[in-house]
Amino acid sequence: DIQMTQSPSTLSASVGDRVTISCRASQSVVSSLAWYQQKPGKAPKLLIHQASILESGVPSRFSGTGSGTEFTLTISSLQPEDFAIYYCQQYSTYLFTFGPGTKVDIK
Amino acid sequence: QLHLQGSGPGLVKPSETLPLTCTVSGGSISSSNYYWGWIRQPPGKGLEWIGNIYYSGTTHYKPSLKSRVTISVDSSKDQFSLNLTSVTAADTAVYYCVAGRPGDAFDFWGQGTMVTVSS
Repeated sequence: DIQMTQSPSTLSASVGDRVTISCRASQSVVSSLAWYQQKPGKAPKLLIHQASILESGVPSRFSGTGSGTEFTLTISSLQPEDFAIYYCQQYSTYLFTFGPGTKVDIK
Repeated sequence: QLHLQGSGPGLVKPSETLPLTCTVSGGSISSSNYYWGWIRQPPGKGLEWIGNIYYSGTTHYKPSLKSRVTISVDSSKDQFSLNLTSVTAADTAVYYCVAGRPGDAFDFWGQGTMVTVSS
């Protein structure tokens, strides 16, 4: 299986901050990498797929970069509704895996 | 726009089988435009991929669950299902049915079904 790690596990930030979350794969997933946002009691929501393609309707303050084994999710200016848990997921092989998640909370 | 609605028992006894169903609307389960899957999330923990089923009928499962999992499609009802056998307390989780376009991520999620394994 491809293992996914994320850092940091928790991030404390303020409204307006630029936030960066990292995701690393144990082997290359090329660009088959997605980012999801999950709020309490809700199903996750797809934000970015193919490492950098913004899902329709997702604000442009979200962006994704990377390829191979190193990926980054950036929120350019954190908004109150962005406090949530963020997961990366690889779908490069037929055996999908998720990262452990990064919680973005209020500083 | 696809809509997924999961359903199933909220409580299952240890050693029994957990049956979950996902009803698809807004699109056909027989369409080659989507693949279907299940993900679970134990209370307070992260997301765990369980498995997928494709238009061809091919299935892929998480290796550690493979011996206990079956995902199938019922085209006549526009439903797909998960059966997880020999459950234990460790299988207590919110179970999400999901869908994605071939070669891409999960862009459609059901609302989640909480399943507790307890006697």
